[in-house]
Amino acid sequence: DAGVIQSPRHEVTEMGQEVTLRCKPISGHDYLFWYRQTMMRGLELLIYFNNNVPIDDSGMPEDRFSAKMPNASFSTLKIQPSEPRDSAVYFCASSSRGRAFFGQGTRLTVV
Amino acid sequence: QKEVEQDPGPLSVPEGAIVSLNCTYSNSAFQYFMWYRQYSRKGPELLMYTYSSGNKEDGRFTAQVDKSSKYISLFIRDSQPSDSATYLCAMYDYKLSFGAGTTVTVRA
Repeated sequence: DAGVIQSPRHEVTEMGQEVTLRCKPISGHDYLFWYRQTMMRGLELLIYFNNNVPIDDSGMPEDRFSAKMPNASFSTLKIQPSEPRDSAVYFCASSSRGRAFFGQGTRLTVV
Repeated sequence: QKEVEQDPGPLSVPEGAIVSLNCTYSNSAFQYFMWYRQYSRKGPELLMYTYSSGNKEDGRFTAQVDKSSKYISLFIRDSQPSDSATYLCAMYDYKLSFGAGTTVTVRA
């Protein structure tokens, strides 16, 4: 398996634009997590899914953030409209029985 | 109070030294305990995984879990410059909760 695949690896966008981050989890994993990492706050859990169903989105900072998992092999995290304070590295991870594996992340810069 | 507490360091040791890292936690529901290694500009990489109290060894790495004290540790023996990274503890009860991460530098 190629591991968790995220795209794009880097994204630079202007404030107010819509940003969509994508994730392909490891086949057979039943949990999918979206994290945000900054120097100030470390790794923050935004939302997680179990068998494609959102379980806990209490970490989503604002209504500007939304996430979907239409099937077991794909998830998106959308920010609309984006703001400079959203600049961070966004990680997707998938897990089975507690073993979570991360993608390489999307480095988002909002100018 | 955070669910998982980890001293962010930084920690600097000479090559060959033993690196000792630890985390404390407050949630008794945590079932699985992990250590991740993260190199600069990379995603966290699963290093050690355990679900019970006691020790687990994997090469130069030893993970310890003490559920009664809510305390976990990671030891790196014969440390190498390539071990220089940020080490994050993580705990799982249907979601992963991370410590702040400890930045380790092994000096050649």
